[in-house]
Amino acid sequence: AQKVTQAQTEISVVEKEDVTLDCVYETRDTTYYLFWYKQPPSGELVFLIRRNSFDEQNEISGRYSWNFQKSTSSFNFTITASQVVDSAVYFCALSERASGTYKYIFGTGTRLKVLA
Amino acid sequence: EPEVTQTPSHQVTQMGQEVILRCVPISNHLYFYWYRQILGQKVEFLVSFYNNEISEKSEIFDDQFSVERPDGSNFTLKIRSTKLEDSAMYFCASSESGSTYNEQFFGPGTRLTVL
Repeated sequence: AQKVTQAQTEISVVEKEDVTLDCVYETRDTTYYLFWYKQPPSGELVFLIRRNSFDEQNEISGRYSWNFQKSTSSFNFTITASQVVDSAVYFCALSERASGTYKYIFGTGTRLKVLA
Repeated sequence: EPEVTQTPSHQVTQMGQEVILRCVPISNHLYFYWYRQILGQKVEFLVSFYNNEISEKSEIFDDQFSVERPDGSNFTLKIRSTKLEDSAMYFCASSESGSTYNEQFFGPGTRLTVL
């Protein structure tokens, strides 16, 4: 079965530190997408990135960067110069083939606490 | 930018009562989904819906749950007789097609509290 593992349950950093959130996945599909979502205390899921399995280029968006390595089935997320507003739970997710469509398989999340 | 909306944002109900959670998907989307997140846990797939019928459902989606598209805009999740363990955040999502190339867009969620 498809699976997403986020081994880090909780990480605490001091503001301005860099932090990397790990995500390891298992899939039988040859074509799939990987995602990162942020869930602030208000509870909504904020979309951060979607990555196609054929595109292994790293991506940078402001203070955020993502490292996709198919060889190790990992899709790690780095926040550079963290800020208090980055405090949230971060979920990694994988698309899995469902009947006629796809469903998302989420990891258990990593709670990031950025201390001032 | 079009978005998925959900009402209510928070619903409190007594155990054994029926609840209906409402979602308005993005207007040109054809595939609809419900996901559930028990407090402090991961987001889990419940059901997908296309062409007025369920495409796939998880083992969580038992006979107490049902989904419906009662009109051209709403997509609802009904829980017939709520249990304490149904307390969770429920997310609706929609996508333009069933292809993995089409992203699912999530609504802001409805927090259901069963007392």
